[in-house]
Amino acid sequence: QVQLVQSGAEVKRPGSSVKVSCRGSGGSFSGYAIAWVRQAPGQGLELMGGFIPALERPAYAQKFQGRVTISTDDSTSTIFLELNSLRSEDTALYFCARSANGFGLWGQGTMVTVSS
Amino acid sequence: DVQMTQSPSTLSASVGDRVTITCRASQSISSWLAWYQQKPGKAPKLLIYKASTLEIGVPSRFSASGSGTEFTLTISSLQPDDFASYYCQHYNSYSPRCSFGQGTKLEI
Repeated sequence: QVQLVQSGAEVKRPGSSVKVSCRGSGGSFSGYAIAWVRQAPGQGLELMGGFIPALERPAYAQKFQGRVTISTDDSTSTIFLELNSLRSEDTALYFCARSANGFGLWGQGTMVTVSS
Repeated sequence: DVQMTQSPSTLSASVGDRVTITCRASQSISSWLAWYQQKPGKAPKLLIYKASTLEIGVPSRFSASGSGTEFTLTISSLQPDDFASYYCQHYNSYSPRCSFGQGTKLEI
C-alpha cells in the first residue's frame, strides 16, 4: 500500500527550528512532486512549498522564503521540511502530499506546537 | 499567484439535501482545479481533479463542473458522512505549486 509516513509531533520554543520528515513507502515516488501544506488550528490549508523533481530543486511559497528549507534523501524516499525562527503563529498541523492530478496522497500530518 | 475564492464559507444543510459550493479563480486556470473533503484533524481527501473527474472510490453523489474562472462542487443527496469542510485548489500537475480556497464548512 502506497503511503506517506510523517514524523511525530513536536513541541518547540519560540525562535527555535523544527525539522519534519515525510517518508514514502510501498511504491514509487520518483518523478512525483511532493508539497508541504500546513493548517493552523481552525484555519484553512496553506502551501509552504515543495520539491520539483523535474528541476531537482525545491520551490517555496513567497511567505516562507528565507525561513523554510525543503530537502530530500533519495536513498530513503524521504523529504524534509525545516522551519526556522519559530513563532506562536507557526503552531499548526503540517502535511506532506504527493502532487499528480491534484494531491491524491497525503501524509497523516505532524503537529508542531510553538510555545514558551 | 492565482487567488481562489470559495463561497459560502459556511453552509447549513440536512441529510438528503442537494448542495452546491462555488469556487472562483482570479484568472483563468483552464480545468486545473481539484476539490477536497477534510474532517477535523485528518488529511484532506481528494474528491475531484481536472475540474470534473471523480477520484476513484468517491461516491457518485459528488459531481463538479466548470472551467476558466468559475467552478462548482455539488453533492446531490447529503449523507451524514458528508458533513465536513471542503476546499478547492488550483494546481499544476506534477508541481507542488498550488492555491487553496479558504474552505467551506458544511454543517447540519
